[in-house]
Amino acid sequence: QVQLVQSGTEVKKPGASVRLSCKASGYTFTNYAMHWVRQAPGQSLEWMGWINAANGDTLYSQKFQGRVTINMDTSANTVYMDLSSLRSEDTAIYYCAKFKAAAPPDFWGQGTLVTVSS
Amino acid sequence: DIVMTQSPDSLAVSLGERATINCKSSQSVLYSSNNKNFLAWSQQKPGQPPKLLISWASTRESGVPDRFSGSGSGTDFTLTISSLQAEDVAVYYCHQYYSALSFGQGTKLEIK
Repeated sequence: QVQLVQSGTEVKKPGASVRLSCKASGYTFTNYAMHWVRQAPGQSLEWMGWINAANGDTLYSQKFQGRVTINMDTSANTVYMDLSSLRSEDTAIYYCAKFKAAAPPDFWGQGTLVTVSS
Repeated sequence: DIVMTQSPDSLAVSLGERATINCKSSQSVLYSSNNKNFLAWSQQKPGQPPKLLISWASTRESGVPDRFSGSGSGTDFTLTISSLQAEDVAVYYCHQYYSALSFGQGTKLEIK
């Protein structure tokens, strides 16, 4: 069955960087792309960017441009998301979600809580 | 960026009654070349990730009960739960995938 297993909880200080991972299984990794979406406490969902697992192409939200980098290791069926210059407003649950081109995200990881606090 | 706006923000419905959630996009999400609306609905229960219920505005995902239905086109869309069950208590999000991805603010559905 399809699984997206995300890395564990992170606690970071303001100004630091964080790297999150999302390991896929149960489907052909390179046939899908992967979104990263975050959800601040009690808030809606916010798209950050995506990567096409077939060729590594990426697209980032303008809001996060310059702070976010998404890459992947196809040999490990894993996607990574780096977020730099963390601030308290980045405290959120971060999700990966797979999707086919021009289709909605059809399966989500369990989420990773990132807390940014001094 | 396409802005998605849902109404209402919260909704309380009696068990067995109909629940209706509306969603409006700031620009059309209808792709003229294939006449498909790039609009989906997802359900999120507490402590869980979102689950895709409906894509292309009206196509139920496999395993989604038929009490869930989606309608609308262009900029105005509706999610209807025909007969509310206790397990339907959740936050519902509309989202567009016409241009990147963006979500409505969510509608919290509770039992009256």
